[in-house]
Amino acid sequence: KQEVTQIPAALSVPEGENLVLNCSFTDSAIYNLQWFRQDPGKGLTSLLLIQSSQREQTSGRLNASLDKSSGRSTLYIAASQPGDSATYLCAVNPSWGKLQFGAGTQVVVTP
Amino acid sequence: EPEVTQTPSHQVTQMGQEVILRCVPISNHLYFYWYRQILGQKVEFLVSFYNNEISEKSEIFDDQFSVERPDGSNFTLKIRSTKLEDSAMYFCASSEEPGGDNEQFFGPGTRLTVL
Repeated sequence: KQEVTQIPAALSVPEGENLVLNCSFTDSAIYNLQWFRQDPGKGLTSLLLIQSSQREQTSGRLNASLDKSSGRSTLYIAASQPGDSATYLCAVNPSWGKLQFGAGTQVVVTP
Repeated sequence: EPEVTQTPSHQVTQMGQEVILRCVPISNHLYFYWYRQILGQKVEFLVSFYNNEISEKSEIFDDQFSVERPDGSNFTLKIRSTKLEDSAMYFCASSEEPGGDNEQFFGPGTRLTVL
């Protein structure tokens, strides 16, 4: 059974520091992995999608890596800003369409 | 930029009542999904839908739940007889295709409160 874990559960950094968010999954048979941002009481905003055949994906200050064989993905956010404060969720696509989510990492960036 | 929309943003209902949550997926998308998030818990998959049929459903999606695409733009989730434990944020999502490089795009959610 696929399990998705995100560590740490919460993270606080001063503005300007780089953020490193971790996601692990137990079954490497996935189609893709997606990173989302969730603001309090709001919906999910897609940040990046990495296909199972890819090792890395970049968008602006965001970079996500995927090591499928070890069941890990890392989201890097460079030069963090207070506006980056949110909960970050990773989700794997273990079957055609369905996403399975981790519990998220709650990030606070202090000015 | 195209987006998924959901109505209402907040629904309050009495236990045992029927509710219908509405979603308008992105217009050129073919695959539709419902997820829910109970307060403080993970986002959970409920059901996927394609070509007017359920593609996959989770254990949560029992006989009390149903989905429908009543016209060319709307996608609905019906809960026949709500329970207290149905209180959650319900998210609709859509994608062009499932899997591969196809992102799922989520709506802002409907907060369902069952009293």
